[in-house]
Amino acid sequence: GENVGLHLPTLSVQEGDNSIINCAYSNSASDYFIWYKQESGKGPQFIIDIRSNMDKRQGQRVTVLLNKTVKHLSLQIAATQPGDSAVYFCAERRGAQKLVFGQGTRLTINP
Amino acid sequence: EPEVTQTPSHQVTQMGQEVILRCVPISNHLYFYWYRQILGQKVEFLVSFYNNEISEKSEIFDDQFSVERPDGSNFTLKIRSTKLEDSAMYFCASRGLAGQGEQFFGPGTRLTVL
Repeated sequence: GENVGLHLPTLSVQEGDNSIINCAYSNSASDYFIWYKQESGKGPQFIIDIRSNMDKRQGQRVTVLLNKTVKHLSLQIAATQPGDSAVYFCAERRGAQKLVFGQGTRLTINP
Repeated sequence: EPEVTQTPSHQVTQMGQEVILRCVPISNHLYFYWYRQILGQKVEFLVSFYNNEISEKSEIFDDQFSVERPDGSNFTLKIRSTKLEDSAMYFCASRGLAGQGEQFFGPGTRLTVL
């Protein structure tokens, strides 16, 4: 499943399908981006990151795509599993240290 | 696998009271952070700390807030006189020199101000 617009708060997909979570960022000077996963009652968990000099980076079952022209970031999760259910946040680094988080997308996996 | 730890997991306090939230960052990390998350909202940056001093802070981090690294392992956030609107999850994070700059977060402390 793919959310067809930005800033959607929820995304439901069938177990085994691929998920695409989108994020828009605002600062064209941001040079580093991270996707975090947050399960209920827990802290954000690092998933994958990408520097602005790249447009794609792959991890285990996850891929991050960066389009600097339109300031858009996406997280693709292959073959989603029940354990992927969580809220996913993109974050951009502003300046040397500060991470600015997006609103988050709640991903629900249907059996 | 090393992880950031935080205590307590839940703190309830009366408005106007002082609270200290404690964090033990990953042992070889040098950069430390506090973030907060009001229920149902996004995570917000509060402060970053490096080489025993604040390197950056947000407008949220006013004179009521302070941070300290009292020894080689702990990193604390103090709120001097809590307000109702300080109720939130407070996350500590740390970062090492290796890697690309990823920050690793603790499980959080839920602060409830009554």
